[in-house]
Amino acid sequence: QKEVEQDPGPLSVPEGAIVSLNCTYSNSAFQYFMWYRQYSRKGPELLMYTYSSGNKEDGRFTAQVDKSSKYISLFIRDSQPSDSATYLCAMVLTTGGSYIPTFGRGTSLIVHP
Amino acid sequence: KAGVTQTPRYLIKTRGQQVTLSCSPISGHRSVSWYQQTPGQGLQFLFEYFSETQRNKGNFPGRFSGRQFSNSRSEMNVSTLELGDSALYLCASSTGGETQYFGPGTRLLVL
Repeated sequence: QKEVEQDPGPLSVPEGAIVSLNCTYSNSAFQYFMWYRQYSRKGPELLMYTYSSGNKEDGRFTAQVDKSSKYISLFIRDSQPSDSATYLCAMVLTTGGSYIPTFGRGTSLIVHP
Repeated sequence: KAGVTQTPRYLIKTRGQQVTLSCSPISGHRSVSWYQQTPGQGLQFLFEYFSETQRNKGNFPGRFSGRQFSNSRSEMNVSTLELGDSALYLCASSTGGETQYFGPGTRLLVL
């Protein structure tokens, strides 16, 4: 079992839909929880991060963390075709002064007009 | 501020050769991390350098090595290339905290 599990998709939704992306993890020592967006042929771009259970909102994006269930989610409201990308979750451990992320495999999202 | 830059963007090598990839971090960032991204394994941590010292290393063989210079630029070297080393190699820079900024990557194809 991988430390971080993420459904690769693809997830195809119509424009305007609410998108739910999810990851589960097994290591309760993870301290930070992040979501990255990666467009084709580009590097990942940090969307949101949090270190506590609960919700964090930023515009159309909401990150949710449930440490007791070892489950994190990213919700995208009013999805747009420009949201079409691969979304990567990452769980971060701090060790020796470093922040070491363990990434999920990524979920491919397609938002069609 | 300019973002993270990586050179070259594309590279084709043959098995047994070695390769050196370069990463220039965002100005003022002292930490550079390297990752390998493949369809099969996803994005995996290779190593991190901070102020010219390797702080952490992922689970990769010794053929993968790196270094960081006094201006924070970093290089990654892979010796004795194998077919399985074909991947997108990404570097990310940070001030040393949890927020990393990724470059566009170098796509390496080993034939």
